[in-house]
Amino acid sequence: EAGVAQSPRYKIIEKRQSVAFWCNPISGHATLYWYQQILGQGPKLLIQFQNNGVVDDSQLPKDRFSAERLKGVDSTLKIQPAKLEDSAVYLCASSPRPRGAYTQYFGPGTRLTVL
Amino acid sequence: QKEVEQNSGPLSVPEGAIASLNCTYSDRVSQSFFWYRQYSGKSPELIMSIYSNGDKEDGRFTAQLNKASQYVSLLIRDSQPSDSATYLCAVRTNTGNQFYFGTGTSLTVIP
Repeated sequence: EAGVAQSPRYKIIEKRQSVAFWCNPISGHATLYWYQQILGQGPKLLIQFQNNGVVDDSQLPKDRFSAERLKGVDSTLKIQPAKLEDSAVYLCASSPRPRGAYTQYFGPGTRLTVL
Repeated sequence: QKEVEQNSGPLSVPEGAIASLNCTYSDRVSQSFFWYRQYSGKSPELIMSIYSNGDKEDGRFTAQLNKASQYVSLLIRDSQPSDSATYLCAVRTNTGNQFYFGTGTSLTVIP
């Protein structure tokens, strides 16, 4: 079974530029998460999708971040314009079921550096 | 805002010793609890999950859950240098299926 795929793996941009990340979850997984992990901290949930609907985006800085999940499969996370404090690893994860006992599987992450 | 707290460490133990990692959480409706291991520069990988009060053992790892005290721990027996990593505690609420992570505890196993 293929894991969660993310691209690009690394991205360096200057502040005020825009950037987009892509995630392809494990086939059949209904729930998809985007996390931001700043160096030395735990992952912080940015947005959670159930199929193609948003379950939780309470910690997403909506003035600059946006995300969508097309047809309940792939997802993109965009930052526009980027700030220095957006430098972090952006992790995508997916889960097989919306409820009950289960876990989430992480992709390799995208490391963003904003100069 | 759900809070998950961990001692950031670093925690150092000699090879072959027991490493004890602790986590407390503030939301009483939390239902599922997870321990992830994260090597430097890598993404988190699940090592243990626990849903009921008591102990759950898997090889050298034992997770302990006490919902009344809102406390979950991870014991690593016969620690190996390859166990050196950051250990993340995560809790999942039963409503909304949301995960909240602690800041992680850095463990170093000294050969």
